Amino acid sequence: NAGVTQTPKFQVLKTGQSMTLQCAQDMNHEYMSWYRQDPGMGLRLIHYSVGAGITDQGEVPNGYNVSRSTTEDFPLRLLSAAPSQTSVYFCASSYRDREDVYNSPLHFGNGTRLTVT
Amino acid sequence: AQSVTQPDIHITVSEGASLELRCNYSYGATPYLFWYVQSPGQGLQLLLKYFSGDTLVQGIKGFEAEFKRSQSSFNLRKPSVHWSDAAEYFCAVGAPTLTGNQFYFGTGTSLTVIP
Repeated sequence: NAGVTQTPKFQVLKTGQSMTLQCAQDMNHEYMSWYRQDPGMGLRLIHYSVGAGITDQGEVPNGYNVSRSTTEDFPLRLLSAAPSQTSVYFCASSYRDREDVYNSPLHFGNGTRLTVT
Repeated sequence: AQSVTQPDIHITVSEGASLELRCNYSYGATPYLFWYVQSPGQGLQLLLKYFSGDTLVQGIKGFEAEFKRSQSSFNLRKPSVHWSDAAEYFCAVGAPTLTGNQFYFGTGTSLTVIP
């Protein structure tokens, strides 16, 4: 049971390049999400998904796309990288119980450190 | 709107001393409250959670937190800090919405432990 796996761990991009951050979980969690962590700002939600085929925007979605074709995978795409997207990115998932009460804690991956020059 | 405030950006304590990290939240209903810890280069790990019932909750690594509705607070405590507790600590609120769950995080408190 690997939990939440993020790849790559580190990435350097030039402005304007595109790339995909991968996230996979093996806990059969319905809820998956992407956060970015910046100094002094804590974690900010980029996009989230409550199940395969369903995604929605979080607090800071601009410049990022997501899709959820399977329960296990939730990739984050940077369409045209900008220096403002230099950050540490975390994928997190959680279980949604039968009563639709969203009270399960998040399980985090170890993060992807992205630098855009 | 939901929000979480951690007033202390950085705290330094001596090993063996007691610790209290503050967390205040703003939420219109009964909140789901969490404390997470982040070691350098790692993701966040759940320390404890509060959903309902007993307002004093116990977590891993000897941590506890107390929910005080009247003060909108969920402060994290530990009676005797160990050097390995040096890390960043995040308070979070789980806020069910019509379209999905969202979690709101505080900006974190960095803990330094001196020998």
